[in-house]
Amino acid sequence: AQSVTQLGSHVSVSEGALVLLRCNYSSSVPPYLFWYVQYPNQGLQLLLKYTTGATLVKGINGFEAEFKKSETSFHLTKPSAHMSDAAEYFCAVSDATGGFKTIFGAGTRLFVKA
Amino acid sequence: DADVTQTPRNRITKTGKRIMLECSQTKGHDRMYWYRQDPGLGLQLIYYSFDVKDINKGEISDGYSVSRQAQAKFSLSLESAIPNQTALYFCATSNSGTGGQETQYFGPGTRLLVL
Repeated sequence: AQSVTQLGSHVSVSEGALVLLRCNYSSSVPPYLFWYVQYPNQGLQLLLKYTTGATLVKGINGFEAEFKKSETSFHLTKPSAHMSDAAEYFCAVSDATGGFKTIFGAGTRLFVKA
Repeated sequence: DADVTQTPRNRITKTGKRIMLECSQTKGHDRMYWYRQDPGLGLQLIYYSFDVKDINKGEISDGYSVSRQAQAKFSLSLESAIPNQTALYFCATSNSGTGGQETQYFGPGTRLLVL
């Protein structure tokens, strides 16, 4: 069965600092991996996704994530945090055999300090 | 106009009442989903529908029912609401045909409080 673990329910960084949000997954077949962001009082929206091919995936707003099969990880990074990045971030996994269902992690809330 | 809309946005109800949450989409997607979000638990899938005649239970379907009235409309009902159904509910849509790679598009959510 698929599962997703996000390490750290809360992460706090200073404006301009590196953002690193950690995600590990479990899947018995090649996974499809997603990062979604939820701004206050809004629904989730896609930041980036990995399906096949290049393991470094670039998304919107300067975020990127690297698929590391050997580590079963898909960590999200951004070189320099901006105040507008404060939000909740969800890692998710699906595959072509799981009835096309997507499994979401518990979420990591990112705080950005001025 | 938003692609995925949910009504109502906020709802307070009492234990035992029947309520319906509605979702409409203008994206032309075949697939629609209902999730609930609880703090610290992420999103849990309640029901999903791959087309009008295809309805499937998710992880936590007990106490809920759904209706896919048309390709664009997918409603969630709580037949007899209970306090532990207090949560934020999201509707989402996705396209079909790419075998699990689909991006999901979310509505703004309905915040439900059951007293």
